[in-house]
Amino acid sequence: DTAVSQTPKYLVTQMGNDKSIKCEQNLGHDTMYWYKQDSKKFLKIMFSYNNKELIINETVPNRFSPKSPDKAHLNLHINSLELGDSAVYFCASSQDPGQGGGEQFFGPGTRLTVL
Amino acid sequence: AQKVTQAQTEISVVEKEDVTLDCVYETRDTTYYLFWYKQPPSGELVFLIRRNSFDEQNEISGRYSWNFQKSTSSFNFTITASQVVDSAVYFCALSRNTNAGKSTFGDGTTLTVKP
Repeated sequence: DTAVSQTPKYLVTQMGNDKSIKCEQNLGHDTMYWYKQDSKKFLKIMFSYNNKELIINETVPNRFSPKSPDKAHLNLHINSLELGDSAVYFCASSQDPGQGGGEQFFGPGTRLTVL
Repeated sequence: AQKVTQAQTEISVVEKEDVTLDCVYETRDTTYYLFWYKQPPSGELVFLIRRNSFDEQNEISGRYSWNFQKSTSSFNFTITASQVVDSAVYFCALSRNTNAGKSTFGDGTTLTVKP
């Protein structure tokens, strides 16, 4: 059983298009995240949701909009895609450290290529 | 503000050598968590270890060991008798005591183990 799943795994699209990436976790975790990993492998957090509420919103263009319909899902919608958006996007989830968690479990990543 | 520094960008060793990956962190919190993650060439991010700020005991798991020293704000990772399969990017991360605070990742160390 996959713990954190993302779809699609690969996404190739033209500049200016709108696309979505979906994420689901079946671990019962309270918190979910979106990260962007660039070509140099730097991992940058974009958003974090705790129990469907946005708790972290880093300096990300407002073309990126996360949506959490329930605790197990966190989707990422990107409008007007630009060349610089090409990267690998990782979804992750974790339990609260105070509840014995804290470590993050990552999805397989979505490789987005904007042409 | 939290910060994680992995000063070694790339390390190359020959199989069976021991190698230590350095991680230095900064935080004003008294309670915090430290993590190591591995990202092999296949791209997935895998959790390796979690350590809370009150537990300075070293940990050993097979060929892997971790040395946590609050006095130097370091959480170093040693691989003994390295193998080609250890080749990966390794990330050190720091988290506050609650998911309301974000996790901060270092820039990663790329380890290459040559046969």
